[in-house]
Amino acid sequence: EVQLVQSGVEVKKPGESLKISCKGSGYIFSNYWIVWVRQMPGKGLEWMGIISPDDSETRYSPSFQGQVTISVDKSISTAYLQWNSLKASDSAMYYCARRMVGSTIHFDYWGQGTLVTVSS
Amino acid sequence: EIVLTQSPGTLSLSPGERATLSCRASESVFSGYLAWYQQKPGQAPRLLMSGTSTRATGIPDRFSGSGSGTDFTLTITRLEPEDFAVYYCQQYGGSVEYTFGQGTQLEIK
Repeated sequence: EVQLVQSGVEVKKPGESLKISCKGSGYIFSNYWIVWVRQMPGKGLEWMGIISPDDSETRYSPSFQGQVTISVDKSISTAYLQWNSLKASDSAMYYCARRMVGSTIHFDYWGQGTLVTVSS
Repeated sequence: EIVLTQSPGTLSLSPGERATLSCRASESVFSGYLAWYQQKPGQAPRLLMSGTSTRATGIPDRFSGSGSGTDFTLTITRLEPEDFAVYYCQQYGGSVEYTFGQGTQLEIK
C-alpha cells in the first residue's frame, strides 16, 4: 500500500528554523517526484515546489523561491521542507504528495498534512 | 502562468441532485494535465480525476469529468451525503507550474 506519512504538529516562534518530513512507503520512492503544497487557514491549495528523489533536482514555485528549501534523503525514502527563519505568515497546513507522470500528470497519493503554527 | 478560475465559489444542493462544477483556464490546458481533487474538512485532498476524465481508483461512477482547451467540468450525478466537500481543479503547465483553482465549496442545501 502506497503511503506518505508526514511529521507531526509544530509550534514555533518567529525567527526559529523548522524542517518537516514526508516518508514514503509501499512503492519505489526514487521513481516519483514529491511535491509540497501549502494550505493557509480557510484557504485553497498552493503548489510550493517539487523534488526528484532520484537526483534531488528541485523546482520551486516563484511564490516560494528563496522562502523555503526542499530536500530529500532517498536512502530513507524521506522528503523535507525547511525554513531558516519562520514568520507568522508561515502558519499553515503543509501537505506532501506523489506526482504521477505518464499520459497524465497529477498528484495521486497525499500525506496526512503537517500543521505548522508560528506565534510569539 | 495559467490561472484557473472555478465557479461557482459555493454550490448549495440537496442529496440526490446533480452538481456541475466549472474550471476555466486563462490559457489552453492540455487535457492530460487537468486533474480534480476532493477535500473534506480536516482531511488531505484526494485525487478524484486525472487527465480530465479518468476516475481515480475507488471513485464512484457518479463522478465524471469533461472538457478541453480552457473549459473543464466536474459533474456529480445523484449527490450522496459524503460528496459535500471542497473541490479543486489543478493543471500542469510546465516545469514550474502546477496551478490549483481556488476551489468550489459544495454544501448541503
